[in-house]
Amino acid sequence: IAGITQAPTSQILAAGRRMTLRCTQDMRHNAMYWYRQDLGLGLRLIHYSNTAGTTGKGEVPDGYSVSRANTDDFPLTLASAVPSQTSVYFCASSERSTGELFFGEGSRLTVL
Amino acid sequence: GQNIDQPTEMTATEGAIVQINCTYQTSGFNGLFWYQQHAGEAPTFLSYNVLDGLEEKGRFSSFLSRSKGYSYLLLKELQMKDSASYLCAVMDSNYQLIWGAGTKLIIKP
Repeated sequence: IAGITQAPTSQILAAGRRMTLRCTQDMRHNAMYWYRQDLGLGLRLIHYSNTAGTTGKGEVPDGYSVSRANTDDFPLTLASAVPSQTSVYFCASSERSTGELFFGEGSRLTVL
Repeated sequence: GQNIDQPTEMTATEGAIVQINCTYQTSGFNGLFWYQQHAGEAPTFLSYNVLDGLEEKGRFSSFLSRSKGYSYLLLKELQMKDSASYLCAVMDSNYQLIWGAGTKLIIKP
């Protein structure tokens, strides 16, 4: 089934540890995004990529990095996790940067 | 600043009609999206409006008034499975999506 796959689905992490959330899509979409979702707040964009080889910063990029080596993969790395990064992380893709988004199932991250 | 406002929670009865409002103030406008998100799941696309007026899609309709910075999502013949959060998002002049915090819709039998 075509779509977006995120891994892990859930993770508990000690503060200060490095963590990479994986995201893979098989729809050949050009644009990909990482959002975090916190209770009472709207989805907030962390980083995005409009096409393979390019990335950009979103609303809340600090403490996160991304890479887009190819069309399908868009990993998100937390270099040194902090408790405020406890959240649900959604990866999304769209055929073009102005189109509807298709979301992965989310990665629930807890930083202690 | 940019802002999307929608009610935090609404309650409605199975079989009834409910209207979820969304007002926005953004730097530019390139369309408004509605997404549905069931608890513990990913958001899924419902509708897109870029011109004023009503877009109907089965039991769901979405309305836009750009001059008023206003949209609503209308759900008819409510079913228990419609219990979910409904997210309003506006694409600004930089083609970035600005998201509301979502409206949690509770359907009672």
